Amino acid sequence: DIQMTQSPSSLSASVGDRVTFTCRASQGITNYLAWFQQKPGRAPKSLIYAASSLQSGVPSRFSGSGSGTDFTLTISSLQPEDFATYYCQQYDTYPFTFGPGTKVDIK
Amino acid sequence: EVQLAASGGGLVQPGRSLRLSCAASGFTLDDRAMHWVRQPPGKGLEWVAGISWIGDRIVYADSVKGRFTISRDNAKNSLYLQMNSLKTDDTALYYCAKAYCSSLNCHFDYWGRGTLVTVSS
Repeated sequence: DIQMTQSPSSLSASVGDRVTFTCRASQGITNYLAWFQQKPGRAPKSLIYAASSLQSGVPSRFSGSGSGTDFTLTISSLQPEDFATYYCQQYDTYPFTFGPGTKVDIK
Repeated sequence: EVQLAASGGGLVQPGRSLRLSCAASGFTLDDRAMHWVRQPPGKGLEWVAGISWIGDRIVYADSVKGRFTISRDNAKNSLYLQMNSLKTDDTALYYCAKAYCSSLNCHFDYWGRGTLVTVSS
């Protein structure tokens, strides 16, 4: 199975901050990488697919990059509604696997 | 508006069975692959199973293979997960997720409201 790791596991930030977190795959997955946002008690929400394509309706402050094994998600200016946990997922090879998540909370 | 809602969860004893359903609205199920993903309380996400748009290709996580069966009824716009021989490790919130395309090698674009399965004696 392809193992997904994320760093950091958590971070504290302020509204308006630029935040970046990373996701690494244990083997190359070209660009078959998605990012999801999950708030407490809610279903995950799709943000990014194909490593850098923005899901319809997602604000442009979210952006993704990377290919192969190393990927990043950037929020250019953190908004109050962005405090959540972010998961990456590879959909290159079955079984699809998720990273353990990065929790973003208020500093 | 695309909506997915999982149902059928509950408290069940180890070794027993449960059938989950996922009702879809706002789109036509029959041209999209569909998946089940679960999340144990306080933990991360685990992909469980996926089915292509006409059900001719099905894949399972090793942890559920041989015990769970994914199926769909496109006429009813519904997805199902039959869970047999349940174990305490199957305790989780179960989500259904819609793929962007008809094949299984495709990203998820919408997730439904989950249903909680608790396996305990």
